[in-house]
Amino acid sequence: RKEVEQDPGPFNVPEGATVAFNCTYSNSASQSFFWYRQDCRKEPKLLMSVYSSGNEDGRFTAQLNRASQYISLLIRDSKLSDSATYLCVVNEGNDMRFGAGTRLTVKP
Amino acid sequence: EPEVTQTPSHQVTQMGQEVILRCVPISNHLYFYWYRQILGQKVEFLVSFYNNEISEKSEIFDDQFSVERPDGSNFTLKIRSTKLEDSAMYFCASSGGQGNEQFFGPGTRLTVL
Repeated sequence: RKEVEQDPGPFNVPEGATVAFNCTYSNSASQSFFWYRQDCRKEPKLLMSVYSSGNEDGRFTAQLNRASQYISLLIRDSKLSDSATYLCVVNEGNDMRFGAGTRLTVKP
Repeated sequence: EPEVTQTPSHQVTQMGQEVILRCVPISNHLYFYWYRQILGQKVEFLVSFYNNEISEKSEIFDDQFSVERPDGSNFTLKIRSTKLEDSAMYFCASSGGQGNEQFFGPGTRLTVL
């Protein structure tokens, strides 16, 4: 069975901290990669796509290592509003596989 | 900003009854999906739909499930004879291309009694 694995956390960090999440996937044929965030009892919302060259969107940086089948998300200068569950998502053609998510709580 | 909508937001049904969950994907999207999330668990893929047919389905999507695009805007998930273990949040999603980012609706919470 093809899996997407994440550290479930929880990560409890103070405001302003830098935090990194990791994700591994088992299907080497996976084609595209994403980070989503999910607030309690809400739908997943796209945070960013992950490209082979790495990409940055404001305080968020995503990296992909295809050789190691590893994806990461770095959040700098974390805000209270960053508190959520972060989902690593791997696309395998017509099928998106979700990790179980990493719970982040940012405290004042 | 265009968004995926779903109705109803909450559906309560008796075991053995049929339910239909409705979704309106983003209007220019061509790929449609259903997922479920049992409380406290991860999001699980059910089915993808393109060009008026199922393109992939998971092992969860057995004979009690079916999908339909009855007109140009709605995309439905039917569960024929609900079981207690079907209680979950059901999310619809759509994307503009295969492998593209998917946009999720707010979900329908299904409770089977």
